[in-house]
This record gives sequence, structure tokens and C-alpha cells, in this order.
Amino acid sequence: NAGVMQNPRHLVRRRGQEARLRCSPMKGHSHVYWYRQLPEEGLKFMVYLQKENIIDESGMPKERFSAEFPKEGPSILRIQQVVRGDSAAYFCASSPLSSGNTGELFFGEGSRLTVL
Amino acid sequence: GQNIDQPTEMTATEGAIVQINCTYQTSGFNGLFWYQQHAGEAPTFLSYNVLDGLEEKGRFSSFLSRSKGYSYLLLKELQMKDSASYLCASGNTPLVFGKGTRLSVIA
Repeated sequence: NAGVMQNPRHLVRRRGQEARLRCSPMKGHSHVYWYRQLPEEGLKFMVYLQKENIIDESGMPKERFSAEFPKEGPSILRIQQVVRGDSAAYFCASSPLSSGNTGELFFGEGSRLTVL
Repeated sequence: GQNIDQPTEMTATEGAIVQINCTYQTSGFNGLFWYQQHAGEAPTFLSYNVLDGLEEKGRFSSFLSRSKGYSYLLLKELQMKDSASYLCASGNTPLVFGKGTRLSVIA
């Protein structure tokens, strides 16, 4: 019974390049959340998606960042023209319910982005 | 607004008991979660409280007081493997996390 799968686990990009992070939720889960974690910091919410819909993107920077969760395939977090400040661990979590309705979040192992 | 506060770091001795406190102010409330996160790993679920009182699960217990906006995680019979960050999170959609408390268990 596979958990939340994220890839790549580690990604190195130079300033100005694009980063694509993928997340496959647990089987049967239709809610996906992306969080960013800086060193020594907590998890910061970025975006909440259901299949083909962005439900809440209030934590997402307005520029360069986008997310999708297509009908088929994984959820993708895309960061264009990366800058050094984008270096962080990006965690994906899934839930069978919205987290406000006692939906425990199941986290992936994270994708660690390093921008040179 | 949303605000969750917990101590940044704590140190405790192997075999002892430690209590990690969390205060929260959130717009809307559907429960309080605690997660454990070892360095470089994914957060894993520890406990969930939606009603006032103490929930016990083995060596770990979690307490909630909704009127005070307060929760704590109690770890008994500490083991070295309990050295980790402990994240308090408020049960809204989306879950809002505190910055975490880094617990170091020493011999």
C-alpha cells in the first residue's frame, strides 16, 4: 500500500531555470496539499488542490509558482525562473477528506530543491 | 488570523517525561493535530484532539483546552529515538502548522 510518492527527492537548479516537483497521493485520496519548509522553520501552506481544481492557493507566491492536479497523473508544483530563496524542502500531503473535517494529512518524503 | 506558538527547543533526559506546549489562535477550529518529524524526513501523524481533555496513546498523550486555546503533547519514558521536531497544527482547511519544537533527548 504505497504512501504519498514525491519525486525527485533532490533537485539542483541554477538561478533562472525551472523546477518541477511531482506528487502522487495515496490511493483513494483526492485532496492534495503542498507545503514549503525552510531550514529551522515550520511547514508553510502553499496550495490545496482536488482533481482538476485549485481550492485554495492563498499561500502561493503570485509570480513564478503554479500548481496543478490533472484528472490523470500526479500533482505538479512548478517554479519558474528559480531564485536562491526558493531553496527549501517542498512537502506534498494527501487526505481522503479536507483537513478541516478531521482529515489527517499523510505526507510524502519531500523534494529538496537547491538553487545554485 | 492564524497563529500557533510553541517553544523552539527543548532538552530532556532519557527515561524522563517531557511536556511540549502549544497555544493557538485560528479563525475556525476543527481540532488540534500533533506531528513528529525526524530531521530530513516526512512529518508523521501522532495525535488528534477535537474535544477537551486528554487522549492517551501508549507513551504519548495529548491534551486540549478549547476555551484556553491550548494543547500539550506529553511524552513519557523518553527514548533517544524520540529526538525529533514536534509540530502542532490547527485543524482548519488547510492545516496551519506551528514552527515546531526541536526535542533533544540526552543520555
